[in-house]
Amino acid sequence: EPEVTQTPSHQVTQMGQEVILRCVPISNHLYFYWYRQILGQKVEFLVSFYNNEISEKSEIFDDQFSVERPDGSNFTLKIRSTKLEDSAMYFCASNADSNQPQHFGDGTRLSIL
Amino acid sequence: GQSLEQPSEVTAVEGAIVQINCTYQTSGFYGLSWYQQHDGGAPTFLSYNALDGLEETGRFSSFLSRSDSYGYLLLQELQMKDSASYFCAPQDDKIIFGKGTRLHILP
Repeated sequence: EPEVTQTPSHQVTQMGQEVILRCVPISNHLYFYWYRQILGQKVEFLVSFYNNEISEKSEIFDDQFSVERPDGSNFTLKIRSTKLEDSAMYFCASNADSNQPQHFGDGTRLSIL
Repeated sequence: GQSLEQPSEVTAVEGAIVQINCTYQTSGFYGLSWYQQHDGGAPTFLSYNALDGLEETGRFSSFLSRSDSYGYLLLQELQMKDSASYFCAPQDDKIIFGKGTRLHILP
C-alpha cells in the first residue's frame, strides 16, 4: 500500500540554525499538509498546499516557516532560525482530494538544542 | 467556532467491544475521520465517513450522523495492541485534532 515517507526520522539542530524536513507524499495525491505535535500535546495544523501554493496556514506558521514542492515528488518544510520551542514531531500528510481522508507519514522528530 | 468532544479515557477488557463517541462543531465539514496514535507514533488513518451511516473495516466500524454532528468509532474483539489514543477528526480543508481518547485494554 502506498505511503507517505518522511526524512530524516530524527533531526537534532542547534538553536538558530535552519532545518529542512522532507516528505514524499503518495504519488497520485495533490494536496499536502504539515502538522506538528509538541510532546504531550495534540496534533496541530501548520499549513496546507495545493497547486504549488499555500492554501491555508495556521497562526503557528509564521515567517519562520516556509514550504516548497521543489520537484514532482518532494514536499519540504523549512524552519529558519530555529527556537527551542520548535522541538516537536512534524508530520506530513497528503490526500488525493481535499475532501478525502489524509494519510500521514511516520514523522520527523525535531530536537532543538 | 469549532469544538470537539470525545471522552478523555476509556478502559475495556481484551476481547470486548468499545464505542468511542464524538461530537463536533466546525465551520466547514467534508466528513469525519478517525485516527489511531500509539505513543511516539504517527496518526494512522482508521476510517472515514462522508455520508451518514455505518462504515465497517474489519474489527473497526465508524458511524456518522451529520444532522446531530455526532459520530462514533466501534472497536470489536479488542486486542492488547489496540491500546492507543483515538482521535475523531472533522475534516474540511484541514484536520482539527482534539486531545483524543486514550483507550486502555485490560487482559
